[in-house]
Amino acid sequence: KAGVTQTPRYLIKTRGQQVTLSCSPISGHRSVSWYQQTPGQGLQFLFEYFSETQRNKGNFPGRFSGRQFSNSRSEMNVSTLELGDSALYLCASSSATGSSYEQYFGPGTRLTVT
Amino acid sequence: AQKVTQAQTEISVVEKEDVTLDCVYETRDTTYYLFWYKQPPSGELVFLIRRNSFDEQNEISGRYSWNFQKSTSSFNFTITASQVVDSAVYFCALKISSGSARQLTFGSGTQLTVLP
Repeated sequence: KAGVTQTPRYLIKTRGQQVTLSCSPISGHRSVSWYQQTPGQGLQFLFEYFSETQRNKGNFPGRFSGRQFSNSRSEMNVSTLELGDSALYLCASSSATGSSYEQYFGPGTRLTVT
Repeated sequence: AQKVTQAQTEISVVEKEDVTLDCVYETRDTTYYLFWYKQPPSGELVFLIRRNSFDEQNEISGRYSWNFQKSTSSFNFTITASQVVDSAVYFCALKISSGSARQLTFGSGTQLTVLP
């Protein structure tokens, strides 16, 4: 079974621009979560989608948004990029929503904002 | 609020040594789940183990073992006979089952370096 895939793997953007990252979950998985990883703040939860509905949201500004499609693929968008948005963005999928289900992570998208 | 503390920022051992990574968690929920993930230099978080709050039975899987103690809110991870390929950042994480905050709360990670 193929793992979680994320595209692109690397991205360089300029402050003020917007960016869209994509995540394809493991086949059959319906829950997708997004995390931001930075050296200063560590791993922080952004949001979770299940069956095209946002189920949970972390403490991030409204510039961060996401969506999920009927095939469970998910995208996250960051508008008006700031230097502090430079991070590794990790997507994770699980077979269902709920605390008992382990999440499987993709390789991440490394975003650099200049 | 939930919190996970990994007090060891970096650990360095020589190959074949045993190493224990510490994890202490805080939560008021009685039902919760604990996880360990490994992050090699490639960046992908690799799932290692999940434990629920009602199962304090310790587990051994090959060279890996986990010691879960509710009395001290700890979920420690031991690698026996470490190998160079074990070099990675290891994260302990907590997930509660109630309310809306059911996402993973991660510790800050422990960088393990295994020297040949």
